[in-house]
Amino acid sequence: EAGVAQSPRYKIIEKRQSVAFWCNPISGHATLYWYQQILGQGPKLLIQFQNNGVVDDSQLPKDRFSAERLKGVDSTLKIQPAKLEDSAVYLCASSLDLGGGSKETQYFGPGTRLLVL
Amino acid sequence: AQKVTQAQTEISVVEKEDVTLDCVYETRDTTYYLFWYKQPPSGELVFLIRRNSFDEQNEISGRYSWNFQKSTSSFNFTITASQVVDSAVYFCALIEDNYGQNFVFGPGTRLSVLP
Repeated sequence: EAGVAQSPRYKIIEKRQSVAFWCNPISGHATLYWYQQILGQGPKLLIQFQNNGVVDDSQLPKDRFSAERLKGVDSTLKIQPAKLEDSAVYLCASSLDLGGGSKETQYFGPGTRLLVL
Repeated sequence: AQKVTQAQTEISVVEKEDVTLDCVYETRDTTYYLFWYKQPPSGELVFLIRRNSFDEQNEISGRYSWNFQKSTSSFNFTITASQVVDSAVYFCALIEDNYGQNFVFGPGTRLSVLP
């Protein structure tokens, strides 16, 4: 079974530029998550989708970050314009949705390492 | 509110030593789920174990074992006969069943296994 796919693996941009990350979850996983992991810290949730709807985006800096999952499968996370403090690893994860608010295991992709200069 | 503490920032051991990584959690929920993930230098978070709050049985998987104690709100992870390939950052995570929408991760413990 293929895991969570992410691209690109690395990205270097200058501040105020835009960047986009792509994620393809494990086949059949209805729930998709984007996390930001700053060096030396644990991952922090940015946004959670269930199918193509947003479940939680309370920690997403909406003035510069946006995400979509139009067809309920793959997803794109965008930063526009980027700031120096956005340098981090952006992790995508997915999980099954067994209904009833079940808290299923999240499986993670390899991440995209972003460096903002 | 839910919180996960991993007090050990970094641990170094010599190959074949046993090592225990500590995880202490806080939750207001009676039903919750605990997880351990491994993050090797490649960056991907690898799932190791999921445990629900009603199952306090310790678990062993090869060289890995987990000790869940609700009385002390701890979910510790032991690697027996450590190997160089075990070098990674290990994260403990918690999600509440009734109050939590999201995983809360601890800050991680960086384990270095020296040859």
